[in-house]
Amino acid sequence: SQQGEEDPQALSIQEGENATMNCSYKTSINNLQWYRQNSGRGLVHLILIRSNEREKHSGRLRVTLDTSKKSSSLLITASRAADTASYFCATAPAGGTSYGKLTFGQGTILTVHP
Amino acid sequence: AAGVIQSPRHLIKEKRETATLKCYPIPRHDTVYWYQQGPGQDPQFLISFYEKMQSDKGSIPDRFSAQQFSDYHSELNMSSLELGDSALYFCASQRGQFLYGYTFGSGTRLTVV
Repeated sequence: SQQGEEDPQALSIQEGENATMNCSYKTSINNLQWYRQNSGRGLVHLILIRSNEREKHSGRLRVTLDTSKKSSSLLITASRAADTASYFCATAPAGGTSYGKLTFGQGTILTVHP
Repeated sequence: AAGVIQSPRHLIKEKRETATLKCYPIPRHDTVYWYQQGPGQDPQFLISFYEKMQSDKGSIPDRFSAQQFSDYHSELNMSSLELGDSALYFCASQRGQFLYGYTFGSGTRLTVV
């Protein structure tokens, strides 16, 4: 199964509401990253949280990391229609030859209705 | 600011043909990663290069090969194309291999007919 598994698979909310997406992973990580992808387009890096960090903020984004539960969450506050996209978590392994390689989760499709 | 450039943006090939995808990383980025994303799927790691040497290999078929050149651009060569190779192919670049988010290109959409 996937290293990163996300839930929900799809989330539909109204503008102004908050959106929370969760990600679980299986192996030890160096860091966890969140990416956004508009339909059929490239992946845009949103935020990176290191394994020794518990929470990180960037604008309307808040990411938490619980390494004991091997899980992370992405919160988008005050959502906008322009936030409509797929959101992926990706993990970078802790050391070894695959140090820089990312393993992506299956993504959450977020739809924000105006 | 310069981004990761991929070419072509779209490519249509017939079964058993070959395809070459190109990636031009951000200047001074010495690491390149290739990912394949099938329809409705998450990106799957194919191969990576650091300082022109292959640094890691993922689920890349033997029909595919890749290299990084002296100017750090990379090419993914795909032979004996199959219908299942239809996907978005992303290249990402990074300076060094550590602890930073990637910058992805816009991808090449390959359709095999």
